[in-house]
Amino acid sequence: QKEVEQDPGPLSVPEGAIVSLNCTYSNSAFQYFMWYRQYSRKGPELLMYTYSSGNKEDGRFTAQVDKSSKYISLFIRDSQPSDSATYLCAMITSYGKLTFGQGTILTVHP
Amino acid sequence: DGGITQSPKYLFRKEGQNVTLSCEQNLNHDAMYWYRQDPGQGLRLIYYSQIVNDFQKGDIAEGYSVSREKKESFPLTVTSAQKNPTAFYLCASSNEGSSNQPQHFGDGTRLSIL
Repeated sequence: QKEVEQDPGPLSVPEGAIVSLNCTYSNSAFQYFMWYRQYSRKGPELLMYTYSSGNKEDGRFTAQVDKSSKYISLFIRDSQPSDSATYLCAMITSYGKLTFGQGTILTVHP
Repeated sequence: DGGITQSPKYLFRKEGQNVTLSCEQNLNHDAMYWYRQDPGQGLRLIYYSQIVNDFQKGDIAEGYSVSREKKESFPLTVTSAQKNPTAFYLCASSNEGSSNQPQHFGDGTRLSIL
């Protein structure tokens, strides 16, 4: 079993939809959680970084962490075609080990 | 502009050839990392360095080598011992190597076999 599981999709939604991207993890030592966005032929770009359970909002993006269930989510409101990309979750343990999910491919069509 | 620069963007390797991928950062970050990205497998850590003149193997170091002679630079050599080198290679850096700081990435080098 992988330490971090992420549904690879692909996920296709119409413009304006609310998108939910999810990761589960098995290692309770993960304390810090990130979401990256990666456009085709580009490097991952940090979107959200959080370390506590609960919600963190930044514009149209909301990151949610539930440490008791070992589950994190990224919500995108009012999705746009420019949001079409691969979304990677990533987690760091308290001793600095970083692990990525496989990435979810998202397409937002006009 | 502060950031991480990887070059070249595309690279082709012949059989038996070593090739070197460049990574330069002007973020004044202490730690630097090399990842390999294959379709459906996410990012896998090749090597990392927390300080100049020191580096450690990651999960898939076989067939690769690195050096860290300057804080700004962390080149990766893909040797002929790496039998399946075709992949997208990503360099990253972070402010502190052994803490919880997020990593920031360059735009990658795509390596292919001729």
